Amino acid sequence: AQSVTQLGSHVSVSEGALVLLRCNYSSSVPPYLFWYVQYPNQGLQLLLKYTSAATLVKGINGFEAEFKKSETSFHLTKPSAHMSDAAEYFCAVTAPGYGGSQGNLIFGKGTKLSVKP
Amino acid sequence: ETGVTQSPTHLIKTRGQQVTLRCSSQSGHNTVSWYQQALGQGPQFIFQYYREEENGRGNFPPRFSGLQFPNYSSELNVNALELDDSALYLCASSVETSRYNEQFFGPGTRLTVL
Repeated sequence: AQSVTQLGSHVSVSEGALVLLRCNYSSSVPPYLFWYVQYPNQGLQLLLKYTSAATLVKGINGFEAEFKKSETSFHLTKPSAHMSDAAEYFCAVTAPGYGGSQGNLIFGKGTKLSVKP
Repeated sequence: ETGVTQSPTHLIKTRGQQVTLRCSSQSGHNTVSWYQQALGQGPQFIFQYYREEENGRGNFPPRFSGLQFPNYSSELNVNALELDDSALYLCASSVETSRYNEQFFGPGTRLTVL
């Protein structure tokens, strides 16, 4: 079974500061890991994904995440926060598959990012 | 390329009523998954449809049911609505042959049960 824990329901940073959003996962099989962003009153947009290739994954809008198997972590970072990054961020895990319940996403509870001017 | 669309955007129902939510998949996608996102929570998997058959289900009661049509659009039906069914319902489509099962989400339907 898979699960995801996101540490910190709210994170506040100043514009230009480093963004670090934490995600730890549990999986009995090699996982696929995703970060999604959700802007107010919108659906989810994929930021980046780890699918067992390079452990450092680069995504859209300057975000990146590093898969660390020894720490069971997949933290999301961005060197310099922008006001437009204010949103809710979800980490999700799934197992390799071709559909069915194995292929479905298990989400963390989310971290709301605020960016101060 | 048209993305995933959902209708209606918002819906208000009363307890005990029935509701149908609709989803149109992204072009070329034959798999649809439905998620429930309660306020302040992450999305929770309800079920998935692949080629018109239910292909996996989360921990939701049978009063949550669905359909997928030959054009791969989908419906989510909820009977005997309860107050706790108030949530954002998200539909996501994917390509079955995608090794990574990358899912593309629609904007959601906000359901309020009074």
